[in-house]
Amino acid sequence: DADVTQTPRNRITKTGKRIMLECSQTKGHDRMYWYRQDPGLGLRLIYYSFDVKDINKGEISDGYSVSRQAQAKFSLSLESAIPNQTALYFCATSDSRPFRTGELFFGEGSRLTVL
Amino acid sequence: AQTVTQSQPEMSVQEAETVTLSCTYDTSESDYYLFWYKQPPSRQMILVIRQEAYKQQNATENRFSVNFQKAAKSFSLKISDSQLGDAAMYFCAYRRNSNYQLIWGAGTKLIIKP
Repeated sequence: DADVTQTPRNRITKTGKRIMLECSQTKGHDRMYWYRQDPGLGLRLIYYSFDVKDINKGEISDGYSVSRQAQAKFSLSLESAIPNQTALYFCATSDSRPFRTGELFFGEGSRLTVL
Repeated sequence: AQTVTQSQPEMSVQEAETVTLSCTYDTSESDYYLFWYKQPPSRQMILVIRQEAYKQQNATENRFSVNFQKAAKSFSLKISDSQLGDAAMYFCAYRRNSNYQLIWGAGTKLIIKP
């Protein structure tokens, strides 16, 4: 089983609909992230969470919200989806303990299409 | 602000040959990490190799090695004996030691010719 699991893997929705992307991890990491990937733009950080009570906006948080339900679960919501939110979304985790390099471990991505 | 630049949107190489992907970054920090990630068509991001800035020795992982030039702020990835399974997008990323956020390059698409 994957260490970082995202659901759904693919989703097509309509403008104005509320969408939730879910992420769970079994790595025991304290830090979790949501990224968006668009062609030619690399990965851009939407939100990140250093623990259950510490949630921070990334560079492109407008139009998104998150919830850290537990150390292992971090969900991303689009309250009212719009077509330019069509993208590939990644959840990632990292370990903040001393002597860790802080590399990210990724889920398999959730491809969202907003019509 | 830190930036990461990958100047090659696409590279191609003959199977079994060697290819080098370029990455430059801009920072005023002295203590940081650099990473290369691979994204195959399956789309999952996979760590290829990491380099700690305080280490002078270039990191190596099997057929993958880096040429880390700290003064020049350059971090290139060399893939030796290219295989069809190496075909993917490759992303360079930078992380300050004091901050766990990664700064990403735009990626290089690597094509392997059989």
